[in-house]
Amino acid sequence: GDSVTQMEGPVTLSEEAFLTINCTYTATGYPSLFWYVQYPGEGLQLLLKATKADDKGSNKGFEATYRKETTSFHLEKGSVQVSDSAVYFCALGDQGAQKLVFGQGTRLTINP
Amino acid sequence: DGGITQSPKYLFRKEGQNVTLSCEQNLNHDAMYWYRQDPGQGLRLIYYSQIVNDFQKGDIAEGYSVSREKKESFPLTVTSAQKNPTAFYLCASSISQAVTEAFFGQGTRLTVV
Repeated sequence: GDSVTQMEGPVTLSEEAFLTINCTYTATGYPSLFWYVQYPGEGLQLLLKATKADDKGSNKGFEATYRKETTSFHLEKGSVQVSDSAVYFCALGDQGAQKLVFGQGTRLTINP
Repeated sequence: DGGITQSPKYLFRKEGQNVTLSCEQNLNHDAMYWYRQDPGQGLRLIYYSQIVNDFQKGDIAEGYSVSREKKESFPLTVTSAQKNPTAFYLCASSISQAVTEAFFGQGTRLTVV
């Protein structure tokens, strides 16, 4: 079945550093791709999405580009803030099974 | 405000008791999902429903049961057959059978003692 692999965490950075969280996927067809963020003790919130190859999703300074040739959807931000500390999940929409498939999550901590 | 509501936020139960977690949405979404999250792990799908009166098992359905009698409600029962029920449970919904973005509730943290 379809699957998502994220870089292992935890990731610790200093404020204003550049962030990359890697995400690759395995899927049949052309899934939609998503990044979700989870703050402590809360549910997940959609951060950004892309529905077809070469689409770039962006929100709150975060960006990710749907790369079909490398089956990747890496999350980037040019200058992180302490408030970006959270767990980030990459996900894809499995068209065949009609469900979302999540990566294992990457815990990000930003130090002042 | 439209959204998805889980209750309660914290739940404590004695071992061997069944417990039901509530999930209600007023987004008019057809599809609803239950996920389990354990510390340091990702989300694992328990059950999902694409339409009223129909639901499918996810990856870890053993020891759980659900019902979908109304479009807006998708309660999850954690039965005594679930070996390790202590976890954070997340409910989600999406607009249709097509796989679009999901909206999540705030979660219920279940502790079994």
